Amino acid sequence: AQSVTQPDIHITVSEGASLELRCNYSYGATPYLFWYVQSPGQGLQLLLKYFSGDTLVQGIKGFEAEFKRSQSSFNLRKPSVHWSDAAEYFCAVGNQGGKLIFGQGTELSVKP
Amino acid sequence: GAGVSQSPSNKVTEKGKDVELRCDPISGHTALYWYRQSLGQGLEFLIYFQGNSAPDKSGLPSDRFSAERTGGSVSTLTIQRTQQEDSAVYLCASSVGQPQPQHFGDGTRLSIL
Repeated sequence: AQSVTQPDIHITVSEGASLELRCNYSYGATPYLFWYVQSPGQGLQLLLKYFSGDTLVQGIKGFEAEFKRSQSSFNLRKPSVHWSDAAEYFCAVGNQGGKLIFGQGTELSVKP
Repeated sequence: GAGVSQSPSNKVTEKGKDVELRCDPISGHTALYWYRQSLGQGLEFLIYFQGNSAPDKSGLPSDRFSAERTGGSVSTLTIQRTQQEDSAVYLCASSVGQPQPQHFGDGTRLSIL
């Protein structure tokens, strides 16, 4: 069955420090992979996507993610975190069938 | 341009009542999705419309849940005889097609008393 695992429920980093959020997926074929961010009371905003090609993808707000097929991972990274990055982050996998399967989310807190 | 619009933003109702939630997708988006977000279950797929094809209803949790999409645009999610476990945030998303990224509305927070 298709599934997405985000091992870290909550992460705290200091402002200016680097960030890596982990995502592992289980999927039978080449997946379409996404990272979304959600601020309180708001919907999900797309950060970046991977469909094919270059395994390192760039997104908005300075985020990037790397697809590693051998590890079934799609980790999200940012070199220097800003206080405004505090939010909940969701990894998702999809296919041509349409629906997305989401991980449980990682809540990011940023220390001043 | 305008994003996905959902109404109402908040809905409080009594157990046993019916509720209707509305979604207005981004203009030109042929695909429309409903998801439910709750503390215990995370983000769950409910239903998916693509153009004139039959909808994928595989995520609807019970026959109390139904959805329609009129004229290939606005969609309504209806929950009949609401139960307390229906309390959640209901999110709508749309996309240009498949497998394009989905754009989400801000959701409707449904509370069942």
